[in-house]
Amino acid sequence: KQEVTQIPAALSVPEGENLVLNCSFTDSAIYNLQWFRQDPGKGLTSLLLIQSSQREQTSGRLNASLDKSSGRSTLYIAASQPGDSATYLCAVSGTALIFGKGTTLSVSS
Amino acid sequence: DAGVTQSPTHLIKTRGQHVTLRCSPISGHKSVSWYQQVLGQGPQFIFQYYEKEERGRGNFPDRFSARQFPNYSSELNVNALLLGDSALYLCASSLDQGARTPLHFGNGTRLTVT
Repeated sequence: KQEVTQIPAALSVPEGENLVLNCSFTDSAIYNLQWFRQDPGKGLTSLLLIQSSQREQTSGRLNASLDKSSGRSTLYIAASQPGDSATYLCAVSGTALIFGKGTTLSVSS
Repeated sequence: DAGVTQSPTHLIKTRGQHVTLRCSPISGHKSVSWYQQVLGQGPQFIFQYYEKEERGRGNFPDRFSARQFPNYSSELNVNALLLGDSALYLCASSLDQGARTPLHFGNGTRLTVT
């Protein structure tokens, strides 16, 4: 059974800091891995999708990597801003998406 | 283009009642999935429908049911509501079945059971 773990559960950083969020999964037989952002009480916004054959994807200040063999992914956020404050969810795809519990990020100005 | 739309946005029900949640997918998307997100947890898969047929079901009791209409919109029904059904219910649409193509989520329906 696929299990997804995200570390840390919460993170507080000052504005401008670079940071890394971690995601690990137990079964490497995945189609892709997605990183989502969720603001309080809201739905999910897709940030990056990495196909199983890819190693990384970049969008603006965000970079996500995927190491299928070790069952790990990282989301790197450069030059963090207060507007980045949200919960970040990692999900791996089999027949459906399996989510981690998320990392709640707080960026202070 | 309109994204995934869900209605209602908020709902309060009493234990034992029945609820229907609605979802309209992105135009051109034929697959709709439903997820339940309890506070402090990641979303959990409930159902997936593709071309009006159920293509996947998560570990939820038979009180949960769903259907997809010819226009690809979908309804999630929950009978005999329990306090533990209080959650954010998320709908996602995609071009294809499974989760091989990106899923696009709506803003969800917040269900409170009292």
